[in-house]
Amino acid sequence: QLQLQESGPGLVKPSETLSLTCTVSGGSISSSSYYWDWIRQPPGKGLEWIGNIYYSGSTYYNPSLKSRVTISVDTSKNQFSLKLNSVTAADTAVYYCARHRGILWFSDWFDPWGQGTLVTVSS
Amino acid sequence: QSALTQPASASGSPGQSITISCTGTSNDVGGYNYVSWYQQHPGKAPKLMIYDVNNRPSGVSNRFSGSKSGNTASLTISGLQAEDEADYYCSSYTSISTEVFGGGTKLTVL
Repeated sequence: QLQLQESGPGLVKPSETLSLTCTVSGGSISSSSYYWDWIRQPPGKGLEWIGNIYYSGSTYYNPSLKSRVTISVDTSKNQFSLKLNSVTAADTAVYYCARHRGILWFSDWFDPWGQGTLVTVSS
Repeated sequence: QSALTQPASASGSPGQSITISCTGTSNDVGGYNYVSWYQQHPGKAPKLMIYDVNNRPSGVSNRFSGSKSGNTASLTISGLQAEDEADYYCSSYTSISTEVFGGGTKLTVL
C-alpha cells in the first residue's frame, strides 16, 4: 500500500532554512488524481496546513506562510520537498507529509500520512 | 485564514454516544461539503475517519458518523470504546483554495 516517509534535519538554527523531503513508496507521485501536502503540528498544539503541490508543479500555500514556503516535486525520485526560510522557534513542530484527494476530483481528504518528523528550531 | 472552532475537550462513558462540533464560516465549512475528520493517538500520525461530511473510508468503524448544518459540522461516535480516546481534528476546504484545520478536541473515555 502507499506509504510516505519524511526525512531531513531535526535541528535548524533560527533565521536559517528548514528543508524536508517526503518519499512516496507503493505508488506514483505522478498520479493525476492527487495533490501532495505538508502539514505541521507544534508540540502540544493542533494541526496547521502548510501547502501542497500537484505532480505538474502547481502549488497552493497557506497565506500565513506563503512568503516563506516553497514546495517542489521530483517525479523521477517519487519525492516532494518543503523549504521554509527565516525560521524562528515558532516553526518548531512535527512536520507531516500526506496524500491529498482534492476537490478537482469532487472529494477532499488526507490519507495516508507519513509518520511525521520533529524539527526543532534552536541555536 | 482562521482555524475552525472545536471544543477543547469532550468526554463520555463506554457505550455512550458523543458529538464533537466544528464551526467555521460560509467561506469554508458552510460553503462546501468538503469536511473531513481525523483521529490522532498520542505520538501517532492522524488517521482519516470521515470525509466529505459524512463518508466513511473502508475499514473505519460504522460507530463513526458525520453531519453538517450551516457553518457547523459534527462528528458523532456511538457505542464509545476505550480505544476511541484520542484527539480529533476537523478539516475543511476554503474559498481561497486552501485547507484549514480545527483546533482539535481531546476525547476522554471515562
